[in-house]
Amino acid sequence: GAGVSQSPSNKVTEKGKDVELRCDPISGHTALYWYRQSLGQGLEFLIYFQGNSAPDKSGLPSDRFSAERTGGSVSTLTIQRTQQEDSAVYLCASSKDYLSTDTQYFGPGTRLTVL
Amino acid sequence: LAKTTQPISMDSYEGQEVNITCSHNNIATNDYITWYQQFPSQGPRFIIQGYKTKVTNEVASLFIPADRKSSTLSLPRVSLSDTAVYYCLVGDMDSSYKLIFGSGTRLLVRP
Repeated sequence: GAGVSQSPSNKVTEKGKDVELRCDPISGHTALYWYRQSLGQGLEFLIYFQGNSAPDKSGLPSDRFSAERTGGSVSTLTIQRTQQEDSAVYLCASSKDYLSTDTQYFGPGTRLTVL
Repeated sequence: LAKTTQPISMDSYEGQEVNITCSHNNIATNDYITWYQQFPSQGPRFIIQGYKTKVTNEVASLFIPADRKSSTLSLPRVSLSDTAVYYCLVGDMDSSYKLIFGSGTRLLVRP
């Protein structure tokens, strides 16, 4: 595709519900990243994928958060039993490979609001 | 974890040159330094990247001293549309696959 896409763009949910956020990276990009940005804050790294493998999940805030990537393409970030503090913009990015020289291209984000 | 430090905010006026410095003491030997720009309600956008000395593109210049423990993003003759948050990005020596954004510098350009 032309760029990184994310869906939904906005998600409002009730506390305790599960949500799934989707990311479609740029075609051919092997590395995929998830970040979280709370209102007025900087970006918080959550997890990255090299292919379908996530070597380090320690950035995930709690065990309610999980992510997977299939076919080296689409990734989903799942938040179980959502809490109000999960409200944030969740950004996905992809890059050609994992190298610090590889530019990360960001999607527009999913704004999650937990009531 | 390696830590990057940037000023929280900066103010400038149209037409001035703006320099934003990022400190990154634990930068790894093979890591590059990348700066991103973020407008409200948008994902970050790549501005410039460098390894050492000076890099210049159509948007900005990046100055990196020999020890590479800091970098300075230079925006020439800023305009109102340069009002945004600027992040520096470096690799982490402790866990080389984990990229860490700086805290971000909120630049406000006034008329």
